[in-house]
Amino acid sequence: RKEVEQDPGPFNVPEGATVAFNCTYSNSASQSFFWYRQDCRKEPKLLMSVYSSGNEDGRFTAQLNRASQYISLLIRDSKLSDSATYLCVGNQGGKLIFGQGTELSVKP
Amino acid sequence: DTAVSQTPKYLVTQMGNDKSIKCEQNLGHDTMYWYKQDSKKFLKIMFSYNNKELIINETVPNRFSPKSPDKAHLNLHINSLELGDSAVYFCASSQVVAAVSYEQYFGPGTRLTVT
Repeated sequence: RKEVEQDPGPFNVPEGATVAFNCTYSNSASQSFFWYRQDCRKEPKLLMSVYSSGNEDGRFTAQLNRASQYISLLIRDSKLSDSATYLCVGNQGGKLIFGQGTELSVKP
Repeated sequence: DTAVSQTPKYLVTQMGNDKSIKCEQNLGHDTMYWYKQDSKKFLKIMFSYNNKELIINETVPNRFSPKSPDKAHLNLHINSLELGDSAVYFCASSQVVAAVSYEQYFGPGTRLTVT
């Protein structure tokens, strides 16, 4: 089993839709989590950090459920510019473990 | 100003050659990393240095040798390049406190193609 697993995707949604990505992790010792966004042929960029039960930043909400070892990312009112690959990332002892990424395509 | 920079951005070379990639960060972080992202898009950590000391060394062939002259720089030297080394290599940096790595910031990547 992979240490960090994400929805396979791709997700194709219309502008304005709400979309949710799910991520599970296998190591209960993971201390914190992140969602990164990666555009095609670019570097990953931090979207949100998740240190406790969740975090909200504008249209983006991340939730962490330690009992179920599950993290989610909700994007409301999606924009064309949200099209990218979203990476779920666990943090174990100073090492980041990346999920395989979920591709999101927002269409007009 | 660029926070994490890498050179070169593109590198095309032949099998058997030796090449280096350089990375610099101006964020004042104490830890730097090298990642490899292959054609399947998986990002995998290769090495991590904390204050010039190697702290993570994943199962990477010993043809790959990182060098950290100071905590703002982490270079990657690759000997005897092979076709399978073709990938995008990302440098990153973060602050690590009590073995917890805070957010990592990535460089723009070096796209290595071995022919």
